[in-house]
Amino acid sequence: GAGVSQSPSNKVTEKGKDVELRCDPISGHTALYWYRQSLGQGLEFLIYFQGNSAPDKSGLPSDRFSAERTGGSVSTLTIQRTQQEDSAVYLCASSLDGESSSYEQYFGPGTRLTVT
Amino acid sequence: AQTVTQSQPEMSVQEAETVTLSCTYDTSENNYYLFWYKQPPSRQMILVIRQEAYKQQNATENRFSVNFQKAAKSFSLKISDSQLGDTAMYFCAFISAGGTSYGKLTFGQGTILTVHP
Repeated sequence: GAGVSQSPSNKVTEKGKDVELRCDPISGHTALYWYRQSLGQGLEFLIYFQGNSAPDKSGLPSDRFSAERTGGSVSTLTIQRTQQEDSAVYLCASSLDGESSSYEQYFGPGTRLTVT
Repeated sequence: AQTVTQSQPEMSVQEAETVTLSCTYDTSENNYYLFWYKQPPSRQMILVIRQEAYKQQNATENRFSVNFQKAAKSFSLKISDSQLGDTAMYFCAFISAGGTSYGKLTFGQGTILTVHP
């Protein structure tokens, strides 16, 4: 079946603009995760959605970052007033169930964000 | 908080040979899972192998196997019969089966593996 998809693949934006990154998880997966991959910080957890529960936002670096998940499926990560330090690859992952014994997360191809 | 350390920024190996990538971690938890992910230049993170902490037997997936030493908090990946397609960045990752870090993968810094013909 189809894997996790993300759009756009690449995004270049000017400092101060808002951007939206989209993630389509694997059908039937109830858990969805956002991570950020940058040269200086490596791979960092951002936010985790599990079913209808309140999301775990503990990894969001500032209040300029927000995410939502509509209908328990598609998720959008929004970065407001982008800064150059936001430049990174944003990875989305999904898993069958965040509480399952496998804990295996399947990743999308990522969105490379460049803030000029 | 959990930490994962990969002390080898880069490794290289000749095609058909064996290579071992190192990973150590630190946690106070007893119930967790460890993973190795592969990230080729295409950026797509691919799960290579998984190990449950409560299992003593080392996981094996075809040419990939792990050496899991729970007491030493060590989790190395052995790639046998290396192939050119194994060239990628490899990440060691930890996930708790409970506690405050539930659901979050903690990654090491990564090891760039190059397989030479």
